[in-house]
Amino acid sequence: DIQMTQSPSSLSASIGDRVTITCRASQSISSYLNWYQHKPGGAPKLLIYGASSLQSGVPSRFSGSGSGTDFTLTISSLQPEDFAAYSCQQSYSTPYTFGQGTKLEIK
Amino acid sequence: QMQLQESGPGLVKASETLSLTCNVSGGPVSRYYWNWVRQPPGKGLEWIGYIFYSGSTYYNPSLKSRVTISLDSSNNQFSLKLNSVTAADTAVYYCARTVPGQVWPSLDVWGKGTTVSVSS
Repeated sequence: DIQMTQSPSSLSASIGDRVTITCRASQSISSYLNWYQHKPGGAPKLLIYGASSLQSGVPSRFSGSGSGTDFTLTISSLQPEDFAAYSCQQSYSTPYTFGQGTKLEIK
Repeated sequence: QMQLQESGPGLVKASETLSLTCNVSGGPVSRYYWNWVRQPPGKGLEWIGYIFYSGSTYYNPSLKSRVTISLDSSNNQFSLKLNSVTAADTAVYYCARTVPGQVWPSLDVWGKGTTVSVSS
């Protein structure tokens, strides 16, 4: 299985901050990397697919980059609704695997 | 817009079978891959497996011996069965959709999840 390692596991930030979350794969996965946002009691939401493509309806302050083994999710200016958990997922090969998640909290 | 909703018992006894259903509304179950994903308390998401509308399945090898995913097109739903459960199977269980033929496969529609606890 491909192991996905996310960092940091938690992050405190303020409204308006620029935030970056990283995800590293245990082997090259090309651009088969997706990012999800999830809030307690809610459905996880696809933000980014193919490492850098913005899912329809997702605000442009979210962006993704990277290829191979190293990837980043950036939120350019944090909004109140962005405080949530974020997970990366590889779809290069089955079984699909996720990072352990990053919890983004208000400072 | 397609919506998914999980349902099933919130409490299952150890050694018994966990059974969940995902009801699909706003579109047919045909033409998609249907996934199950879970999140144990304090841990990351774990992909359980999928079923294609044709009936073909793929299961995570870590769970393969205990998992069955099935499709009920007449009721527009699909199901998960996990047998011989233990406390390690306590988790929030999600169903999710994958559109076939995408260059970059993803889980683009999810249910809100249902919590299942395993009691000893």
